[in-house]
Amino acid sequence: QSALTQPPSASGSPGQSVTISCTGTSSDVGGYNYVSWYQQHPGKAPKLMIYEVSKRPSGVPDRFSGSKSGNTASLTVSGLQAEDEADYYCSSYAGSSNYVFGTGTKVTVL
Amino acid sequence: QVQLVQSGAEVKKPGSSVKVSCKASGGTFSSYTISWVRQAPGQGLEWMGRIIPILGIANYAQKFQGRVTITADKSTSTAYMELSSLRSEDTAVYYCARGNEFDYWGQGTLVTVSS
Repeated sequence: QSALTQPPSASGSPGQSVTISCTGTSSDVGGYNYVSWYQQHPGKAPKLMIYEVSKRPSGVPDRFSGSKSGNTASLTVSGLQAEDEADYYCSSYAGSSNYVFGTGTKVTVL
Repeated sequence: QVQLVQSGAEVKKPGSSVKVSCKASGGTFSSYTISWVRQAPGQGLEWMGRIIPILGIANYAQKFQGRVTITADKSTSTAYMELSSLRSEDTAVYYCARGNEFDYWGQGTLVTVSS
């Protein structure tokens, strides 16, 4: 199972929006609506930000939104804030009780 | 408040095995799967496998088949991940995570493989 493809980096100024893509195949992202997104600050455990493509867990700001088209999922962070600077990872169910993560994207707030 | 608390850091010799624990509290342990995810230094997240505690059934990523064993003890709400035939490339932080969405994570356990 190959890792899902994410851009290595993305950036934006405070208040702007940034969108991160997560590209897989019809066997993972395209085949199931079980895409999640995680935020990870240095030295910390990942934190769930989006699940089932577009659902937000309680406590996650509505500035974070998710979507999917075909084999590519996307995470958009609107109204960028300094604390949004972190690494972001997507994950997808890949069938047969397997999961796969994305390669990760470092978001920089300029 | 759901918490997953993992065992402490380990230093192992190449060829040996390591067993990491993950104790759950604040939720119904058997109602959720527990996955293990690792992260090598400066690298991304890698899913290793998961267990359904109520059934005791585990499945593993193909990469780790034959080298990893995930178990669970319902009586203590604890999941375990044992990795054998350790090599330097297994040096990583190992995390446990709950459920199909990985909604709660342990704090991570650093496993260092060095001669």
